[in-house]
Amino acid sequence: EIVLTQSPGTLSLSPGERATLSCRASQSVSTYLAWYQQKPGQAPSLLIYDASNRATGIPARFSGSGSGTDFTLTISSLEPEDFAIYYCQHCSNWPPMCSFGQGTKLEIK
Amino acid sequence: QVQLQESGPGLVKPSETLSLTCTVSGGPFTPFSWSWFRQPPGKGLQWIGYLSYSGSIDYNPSLKSRVTISVDTSKNQLFLRLSSVSAADTAVYYCARGAIFTLIRGNAFDIWGQGTMVTVSS
Repeated sequence: EIVLTQSPGTLSLSPGERATLSCRASQSVSTYLAWYQQKPGQAPSLLIYDASNRATGIPARFSGSGSGTDFTLTISSLEPEDFAIYYCQHCSNWPPMCSFGQGTKLEIK
Repeated sequence: QVQLQESGPGLVKPSETLSLTCTVSGGPFTPFSWSWFRQPPGKGLQWIGYLSYSGSIDYNPSLKSRVTISVDTSKNQLFLRLSSVSAADTAVYYCARGAIFTLIRGNAFDIWGQGTMVTVSS
């Protein structure tokens, strides 16, 4: 089973700053990694798939990078609406299952 | 646009079976893949199971003995049954659509329902 570990657990930044969130896989997942944003009381929202592809309608300030075991979600200049919890996610074919990281909370400093 | 709506009882008694329905509207059910997820209060996301576009179904090994996912494509509905529930099954349950045409590997989920809270309590 592939385990995804996100860091940091909490990130305190101000609007306009750059945010860098990390996700590390316990074994190589190639580029099969997605990122989601979740705001309180809402369902997760897909930001990035295949490590670096923005989902439909996602602003260009969100970017993803990485391959193998180390991945990064970067928000180039934080907007007030970006403060939320972010999860990375991977689906594998052996064993066939999907898993999430434990999440990074991005809070206003 | 495509919308997903989860429905079912908000309260289930311990040892009973939780049954939820996900209704897809505004778009086709096939040939997409679909998944169920859950999120206990204040905690992270957990994958429950996956119905691929080919009809194959995979379950989270930790829940496999208690979970059944089924579908009625004529009604654009996905179903979840979770038996022998306990307080640990209290969570918001979500259904979501797979974004990529793959059996399971590499998929991501681009459209989610709003979720339905299920509490297990006597």
